[in-house]
Amino acid sequence: DAGVIQSPRHEVTEMGQEVTLRCKPISGHDYLFWYRQTMMRGLELLIYFNNNVPIDDSGMPEDRFSAKMPNASFSTLKIQPSEPRDSAVYFCASSQDSSNYGYTFGSGTRLTVV
Amino acid sequence: GDSVTQMEGPVTLSEEAFLTINCTYTATGYPSLFWYVQYPGEGLQLLLKATKADDKGSNKGFEATYRKETTSFHLEKGSVQVSDSAVYFCALRSGGSYIPTFGRGTSLIVHP
Repeated sequence: DAGVIQSPRHEVTEMGQEVTLRCKPISGHDYLFWYRQTMMRGLELLIYFNNNVPIDDSGMPEDRFSAKMPNASFSTLKIQPSEPRDSAVYFCASSQDSSNYGYTFGSGTRLTVV
Repeated sequence: GDSVTQMEGPVTLSEEAFLTINCTYTATGYPSLFWYVQYPGEGLQLLLKATKADDKGSNKGFEATYRKETTSFHLEKGSVQVSDSAVYFCALRSGGSYIPTFGRGTSLIVHP
């Protein structure tokens, strides 16, 4: 398996622009998570899905952020409009349906909003 | 709620030194415990895990034992290498919740 695949690896955009981050989880994994990592706040859970359904989006910072999972093999995280404080590394992770399994993380998308 | 506490970093060691990174937790029920490693510019990778009390997880020379009585899961390695320089995250996942709880991470720097 190729693991969790994220694209793009790096994204530089201007304030106010729309940004879309993409994730392909591991086939057969029932859970998908979106995280944000910054030096100040560490690793933050933004939202997670179970069987393509959003379960908890309480970590989404504000209405500018939205996430979708139209099918079991694809998810997007969108920021519209983007702001400089959104600059961070965004990770997608997937997991099987059991508390005994760890997570598999993607390599992340480094977002810079200028 | 669940929580994980890790020792503050950075931890700076010379090559071949002994490593311990402390991790303690609070959780409802009986969680599974994990250590993840993040190398520069990469995502987190599962390093090892333990799913019940007294289990020892091990991988790549790293070990950690699930200590229910002290609610701890300390990471150890007998002889670190420069290539072990990374950030290490302790985490738990409770049976009643699929939301993992991560520690803040501990940076390890190994000098030649």
